[in-house]
Amino acid sequence: SAVISQKPSRDICQRGTSLTIQCQVDSQVTMMFWYRQQPGQSLTLIATANQGSEATYESGFVIDKFPISRPNLTFSTLTVSNMSPEDSSIYLCSVVSSTHSSSYEQYFGPGTRLTVT
Amino acid sequence: GENVEQHPSTLSVQEGDSAVIKCTYSDSASNYFPWYKQELGKRPQLIIDIRSNVGEKKDQRIAVTLNKTAKHFSLHITETQPEDSAVYFCAASEGNNRLAFGKGNQVVVIP
Repeated sequence: SAVISQKPSRDICQRGTSLTIQCQVDSQVTMMFWYRQQPGQSLTLIATANQGSEATYESGFVIDKFPISRPNLTFSTLTVSNMSPEDSSIYLCSVVSSTHSSSYEQYFGPGTRLTVT
Repeated sequence: GENVEQHPSTLSVQEGDSAVIKCTYSDSASNYFPWYKQELGKRPQLIIDIRSNVGEKKDQRIAVTLNKTAKHFSLHITETQPEDSAVYFCAASEGNNRLAFGKGNQVVVIP
């Protein structure tokens, strides 16, 4: 499976600031997703990162708060904007590496642990 | 959208015994059902999956069964070991290659 890395691995940020998280894959992938995992909770999909076009956001998530870029098939960024303590969470990217459109196998990056003070 | 529920939320088993976690889903169009294992502080790892055209799949000590009629699928872990202690998430496919995750089960293997 693809090797996925995320930067930073963790950060502590002041409220009102923004943080950009990077997700890098060592091979081209068809799909990239961004999830949030709050402490002790499940995985909540934020959006699908679309290559060369605007991301597709899930209900409850908006582009102004979580702008996403995906300039190519191996890289994506998620920005958490105007942060508040409620944004403290682990943010994970995931990828679907198969070129078959029917494949759903998702593999996760190591995550970025964000604490907002 | 898809709604995935997991039961029980916490499961404690003696080392060597079997553990079974059950998930139910709501959307009959779902056709892919993975299980992820997440150890403390680590990323979720895909451990086994099943597609809707198969009723059972095994990989060493773990197996997954699917009942499409009842819309539920289960993870079976045999001969549990301390390293099986983790949170296990089930998921079901939605459109556009997305997955809907259950809330997770904490499995504790008691030595």
